[in-house]
Amino acid sequence: DQQVKQNSPSLSVQEGRISILNCDYTNSMFDYFLWYKKYPAEGPTFLISISSIKDKNEDGRFTVFLNKSAKHLSLHIVPSQPGDSAVYFCAASDGAQKLVFGQGTRLTINP
Amino acid sequence: DAGVTQSPTHLIKTRGQQVTLRCSPISGHKSVSWYQQVLGQGPQFIFQYYEKEERGRGNFPDRFSARQFPNYSSELNVNALLLGDSALYLCASSLSGLVGSYNEQFFGPGTRLTVL
Repeated sequence: DQQVKQNSPSLSVQEGRISILNCDYTNSMFDYFLWYKKYPAEGPTFLISISSIKDKNEDGRFTVFLNKSAKHLSLHIVPSQPGDSAVYFCAASDGAQKLVFGQGTRLTINP
Repeated sequence: DAGVTQSPTHLIKTRGQQVTLRCSPISGHKSVSWYQQVLGQGPQFIFQYYEKEERGRGNFPDRFSARQFPNYSSELNVNALLLGDSALYLCASSLSGLVGSYNEQFFGPGTRLTVL
């Protein structure tokens, strides 16, 4: 029962262009969503979050969009930089103690 | 300020053995959560402890247990190891026990467990 899904295992984007990572969820009780970035041999690093009362949150080059009716969120990175190459995880919470993660999307930024 | 620290970094065990993994949270954080990440998948929730009490448990067998100490550090124990327990074990700390705005979980680098 995969409550959080990232259907694209990998994504390749040219440096300077926009990277769009997508995430779908099934549990309507989720009210808080996060994106984490993971480099090899490191733990996930918190990137940006959004509460269900909002539909957009921006932090520098990173913007997260939430479409509650479609149970879909996306992370936009503009402009993409080589250091953005990593695995990105979408995670969700229903306000309780745990995070439910998607399978991850490997983003590669090409020069 | 030190982040979340975990030890050991790597561990190799054989089937049937027992293992203990350790985690120290960020200073001031009172909650520690444990996650298992199998290759190619996202982290899966195992336990959460807050103020030394278990506050949440994921869908893992009783072979998995944990505890939190008065200084908020934590140990994860796994008994009777199986090949399928091979994974990256991640510890995350947060200020309080509930996930939400201004209470994000911050992860350590993980312990890579290999069971042969």
